[in-house]
Amino acid sequence: AQSVSQHNHHVILSEAASLELGCNYSYGGTVNLFWYVQYPGQHLQLLLKYFSGDPLVKGIKGFEAEFIKSKFSFNLRKPSVQWSDTAEYFCAVTVRTGANNLFFGTGTRLTVIP
Amino acid sequence: KAGVTQTPRYLIKTRGQQVTLSCSPISGHRSVSWYQQTPGQGLQFLFEYFSETQRNKGNFPGRFSGRQFSNSRSEMNVSTLELGDSALYLCASSLVAAEDTQYFGPGTRLTVL
Repeated sequence: AQSVSQHNHHVILSEAASLELGCNYSYGGTVNLFWYVQYPGQHLQLLLKYFSGDPLVKGIKGFEAEFIKSKFSFNLRKPSVQWSDTAEYFCAVTVRTGANNLFFGTGTRLTVIP
Repeated sequence: KAGVTQTPRYLIKTRGQQVTLSCSPISGHRSVSWYQQTPGQGLQFLFEYFSETQRNKGNFPGRFSGRQFSNSRSEMNVSTLELGDSALYLCASSLVAAEDTQYFGPGTRLTVL
């Protein structure tokens, strides 16, 4: 069965620190990859997505992610975090079988200290 | 363009009752998916509808059901509620069914007492 792992459950950073959140998936076929963010009191929003092409994708608010097929990974990065980045981050995949259901990781809670 | 809307936003029910949640997708979107979010299990896929047909179903008991109308609006129903059904129920819409980005609504917070 497909699964998505996010090994960091809670990350605490100071403003201006660099961020990298890990995401690994288990599925032998072709996947589409997503990062969603859930700010406190708000709904899930799409940060970025990878379907094909350049494995380095850029999203909103200065976030980027790199798809490394050999490592089954899609890590999220940001060079300098801000207090407003405090949120929960979810990695998700869909498998290209025609179905569109997202398999989510357990999420990583990011706290940025001013 | 308005986003995905869900009603009601909050709901309190007692065990054994049933509940119906509603979702209106982004205008023009024809696919609607439902997810359950709980602290213990995280985000789990319930089912997906496209053109009034259920295309895909997650691993949930038959007490969980849904439907989609001709205007793409969707409802999900949970019968014989259990305490463990307390969760945030999220609806997501996408333009087409397969391999498309899903946009989420704010969710309905269901509490079962």
